Amino acid sequence: DIQVTQSPSSLLASLGERVTITCQTSQSISNNLNWYQQKPGQAPMLLIYYATSLQTGMTSRFSGQYSGRSFTLTITSLEPEDIANYFCLQHYSAPWTFGGGTKLELK
Amino acid sequence: QIQLVQSGPELKKPGESVKISCKASGYTFTDYAMHWVKQAPGKGLKWMGWINTYTGKPTYADDFKGRFVFSLEASASTANLQISNLKNEDTATYFCARKADYWGQGVMVTVSS
Repeated sequence: DIQVTQSPSSLLASLGERVTITCQTSQSISNNLNWYQQKPGQAPMLLIYYATSLQTGMTSRFSGQYSGRSFTLTITSLEPEDIANYFCLQHYSAPWTFGGGTKLELK
Repeated sequence: QIQLVQSGPELKKPGESVKISCKASGYTFTDYAMHWVKQAPGKGLKWMGWINTYTGKPTYADDFKGRFVFSLEASASTANLQISNLKNEDTATYFCARKADYWGQGVMVTVSS
């Protein structure tokens, strides 16, 4: 199985701050990684697909990059509505595997 | 708009069975696979497998072979997850997800004697 290591597991940030979350995979998955935002009691929402593509309707504050086995989600300027949990998913090969999640909170 | 609406919370005893539904709308149901994901309390997400909504063929992750069954009511654009012989460790929120993009709101299943 492909392991996905997500960091940090929790993050305190201020409004307006630039935030970066990383997922590292145990083997190459090309660009087959998605990023999601999940708020308590709600369905996860797709933010970024195929590592770099912004899902329709999502704010351009979110962006994704990757290099090799390292993938990053960046929020350029943190807004109150961005406070949530974030996780990544590799869908390169079965079983699909998830990062452990990042809880983003306001400082 | 695309929506996946799941059934309501369930409280079951060990050994019982539960069936969770996921009704899709806003797209052609048979064009996209339906995946199932488990999120146990305080734990990460775990992919359970998927069902081909065109052929009805299910594929299960190793940890979900045996007591778990994916099924369809294609005429109703609905995917189902049935868990038999429930155990305490099945206590979790179960999500359906259209391929990897749209997700249902999740169903909390609590198994307790």
